[in-house]
Amino acid sequence: AQSVTQLGSHVSVSEGALVLLRCNYSSSVPPYLFWYVQYPNQGLQLLLKYTSAATLVKGINGFEAEFKKSETSFHLTKPSAHMSDAAEYFCARYNFNKFYFGSGTKLNVKP
Amino acid sequence: DGGITQSPKYLFRKEGQNVTLSCEQNLNHDAMYWYRQDPGQGLRLIYYSQIVNDFQKGDIAEGYSVSREKKESFPLTVTSAQKNPTAFYLCASSPAGQPSYNEQFFGPGTRLTVL
Repeated sequence: AQSVTQLGSHVSVSEGALVLLRCNYSSSVPPYLFWYVQYPNQGLQLLLKYTSAATLVKGINGFEAEFKKSETSFHLTKPSAHMSDAAEYFCARYNFNKFYFGSGTKLNVKP
Repeated sequence: DGGITQSPKYLFRKEGQNVTLSCEQNLNHDAMYWYRQDPGQGLRLIYYSQIVNDFQKGDIAEGYSVSREKKESFPLTVTSAQKNPTAFYLCASSPAGQPSYNEQFFGPGTRLTVL
């Protein structure tokens, strides 16, 4: 069974607009959740992680994510998109010594 | 600088040949992982190792082999038994122990193309 599901393989926003990338996880306690970003032909870079200390998690580059247990969601947001945000984003979950990754969402930022 | 190195960046192989991808880390991490990435499929786990001289199969281990003789190194061999090896391969490491600290650090990847 897939541990994380990312809705939308491609998302397109205008520069300056809100970015919302969706991630839902399979119900379990406790979830350790992550968002990573990948630029073309590069490895993944950690944006932020949820470890139960706070439901609103702030990451690098102005991104943040909110853990909502009632919705089993961990959506990634950024108030104002920048051209440099164009990349692929992966939601991931840690469970029993392994990481489970979503299928990724490619973010396109239009000028 | 601490980090993970993968070599080579690009690799070409003829059908029927085995090839070994290198992964080295100087982060003093206990755990290391190999993933395969194909377009639209996210990352799929090939093998992982929590400690030296021990490793476990991931979800798509068939046609691959690994070794973990040193803490710093986790090479991946793509054998001729792997039917569709053309892909982007990513190596990662993480500290073992408390799950809340177990974020993964990734190398830059190796793109393997079978000719």
